[in-house]
Amino acid sequence: EAGVVQSPRYKIIEKKQPVAFWCNPISGHNTLYWYLQNLGQGPELLIRYENEEAVDDSQLPKDRFSAERLKGVDSTLKIQPAELGDSAVYLCASSLRAGEETQYFGPGTRLLVL
Amino acid sequence: DQQVKQNSPSLSVQEGRISILNCDYTNSMFDYFLWYKKYPAEGPTFLISISSIKDKNEDGRFTVFLNKSAKHLSLHIVPSQPGDSAVYFCAARSGGSNYKLTFGKGTLLTVNP
Repeated sequence: EAGVVQSPRYKIIEKKQPVAFWCNPISGHNTLYWYLQNLGQGPELLIRYENEEAVDDSQLPKDRFSAERLKGVDSTLKIQPAELGDSAVYLCASSLRAGEETQYFGPGTRLLVL
Repeated sequence: DQQVKQNSPSLSVQEGRISILNCDYTNSMFDYFLWYKKYPAEGPTFLISISSIKDKNEDGRFTVFLNKSAKHLSLHIVPSQPGDSAVYFCAARSGGSNYKLTFGKGTLLTVNP
């Protein structure tokens, strides 16, 4: 069974530029999560989707971050414009359903903003 | 305010010995606790979990113990192997319909041959 797929794996951009990350969850998983992981820290939840619906986006900085999950499968996380402090690893995870305690993570996208 | 704390940034153990990783939490409403293992340049990999209504869960070389009164859990790895060298994250799930995972900062385990 294929795991969570993310692309790109690495991205280097200049500040004020836009950037987008893509995630394909495990087949059949209805719940999708985007996490942010800063250096030396654990992952922190940005947004959770149940199918197409964003059910928890309270931690998403909505002035510059946006996300979508069209058709309840793939998801895209966008930053516009990027700031130096956005340099981090962006992780996508999925679980079978909302009540499933185990979340399965992708390899992450490492973003460097110069 | 950190709700999940891993107070040891690193731990070094000899191959074949026991590794004990610790985690403390403050929120008594957490209903599940999980341990994830992370290798460099990879995402966290699920290792083992325990429900808040249990005090022990075992899976092969890995055992997680939960002490609710002390708000403390630990991961035991016996015997430790060099391939176990990684960063271990403790995570706790919020109860109700939130399902949010709160992670600790991680502990770097090094198993020396």
